[in-house]
Amino acid sequence: EADIYQTPRYLVIGTGKKITLECSQTMGHDKMYWYQQDPGMELHLIHYSYGVNSTEKGDLSSESTVSRIRTEHFPLTLESARPSHTSQYLCASSEGWGEFGELFFGEGSRLTVL
Amino acid sequence: SQQGEEDPQALSIQEGENATMNCSYKTSINNLQWYRQNSGRGLVHLILIRSNEREKHSGRLRVTLDTSKKSSSLLITASRAADTASYFCATAMIYNQGGKLIFGQGTELSVKP
Repeated sequence: EADIYQTPRYLVIGTGKKITLECSQTMGHDKMYWYQQDPGMELHLIHYSYGVNSTEKGDLSSESTVSRIRTEHFPLTLESARPSHTSQYLCASSEGWGEFGELFFGEGSRLTVL
Repeated sequence: SQQGEEDPQALSIQEGENATMNCSYKTSINNLQWYRQNSGRGLVHLILIRSNEREKHSGRLRVTLDTSKKSSSLLITASRAADTASYFCATAMIYNQGGKLIFGQGTELSVKP
């Protein structure tokens, strides 16, 4: 079983609020990722990190920001949420360099912005 | 557009039948992975096949990879109702300092008891 945790699982907030989605892993993985997934749709990479103090934007433009101050922690922040941000956000991590190995996913954070 | 495309988008079968899902991709890859997602949950890794491999088995799962056609297939034999889920292929590409895993749009499998 994967040791990667996301909180909250579900969040309903009003427009304009600042939110932070938490993601923590206890596997010591250097690489961490945030994917955005709309219902029944493919996953889009929005942010990734190869280690502490490393963050990069993914393929899908996102108004969210991330930070990586500790290896185990990779939070995602929206400064001012809008209804267009309503989606499922999935955090993942992977180990190693060289071959791109399997991703371990959290259970997801489903965000609804009213 | 995304690297991987899956076919069919949805598949409904009876318990005990085999389920086959296909994935096509566009560029060279390091490996190809299959994941499963139960409704409202995170993804779970099923199997990884490297670009120099042609076939791989894991329990009731059989994955093939044809790099000349840039395609892969996932076969689930003797399906069970518990196999009902969405299945995603993901292509891994390595470059410079790291790499990316790009997911297809998924196949929604429904196995009826």
